Amino acid sequence: NAGVTQTPKFRVLKTGQSMTLLCAQDMNHEYMYWYRQDPGMGLRLIHYSVGEGTTAKGEVPDGYNVSRLKKQNFLLGLESAAPSQTSVYFCASSYPTPDRGGTGELFFGEGSRLTVL
Amino acid sequence: AQTVTQSQPEMSVQEAETVTLSCTYDTSESNYYLFWYKQPPSRQMILVIRQEAYKQQNATENRFSVNFQKAAKSFSLKISDSQLGDTAMYFCAFMKHYVDSNYQLIWGAGTKLIIKP
Repeated sequence: NAGVTQTPKFRVLKTGQSMTLLCAQDMNHEYMYWYRQDPGMGLRLIHYSVGEGTTAKGEVPDGYNVSRLKKQNFLLGLESAAPSQTSVYFCASSYPTPDRGGTGELFFGEGSRLTVL
Repeated sequence: AQTVTQSQPEMSVQEAETVTLSCTYDTSESNYYLFWYKQPPSRQMILVIRQEAYKQQNATENRFSVNFQKAAKSFSLKISDSQLGDTAMYFCAFMKHYVDSNYQLIWGAGTKLIIKP
């Protein structure tokens, strides 16, 4: 039972390089999210998607782009990495919101640790 | 703006003791959802317990229970008979209910809980 899978798990970049983080879920969830986690700051939402072909900005979207071409995949891109983007990135997915019969529970991947030198 | 505050950065207790983690939030909404998530050292975040604001009864899941005080905007987590496997970061999260099924989770900074043998 895979759930939410993130690749890669670890990556080291040099400033200015680009990369893409892939998130895949096999639970047929409509909603998907990308968060970053920094020490002492909890989780901050970067971008999210409420369905295939749709994306929206979260709390800290600058420097990131996303795409949801397929329902099961949510890609997070860094076009020109900066040291401030050194963080652990988490992808999550969820059932419909409570007003649509869901519980609101998020299912998380194991995280991707990105270091930008 | 909604905020979530976890005032205890770190706590430690002996195995089998009871521990309470505090969480307060700020909102003007009347209908919302609250969550406690656990992040073990392996890093994958999992849901511990969930509370709907319109329900007066406190949620309970086995050894985990909450003390939900809506007027005080407080949502504490009590762990009874603590076990070594409870060692983790615990995050409190607030979810605002949007009528158009669009919503975001607001996260606290987390409490590191250490269960000592």
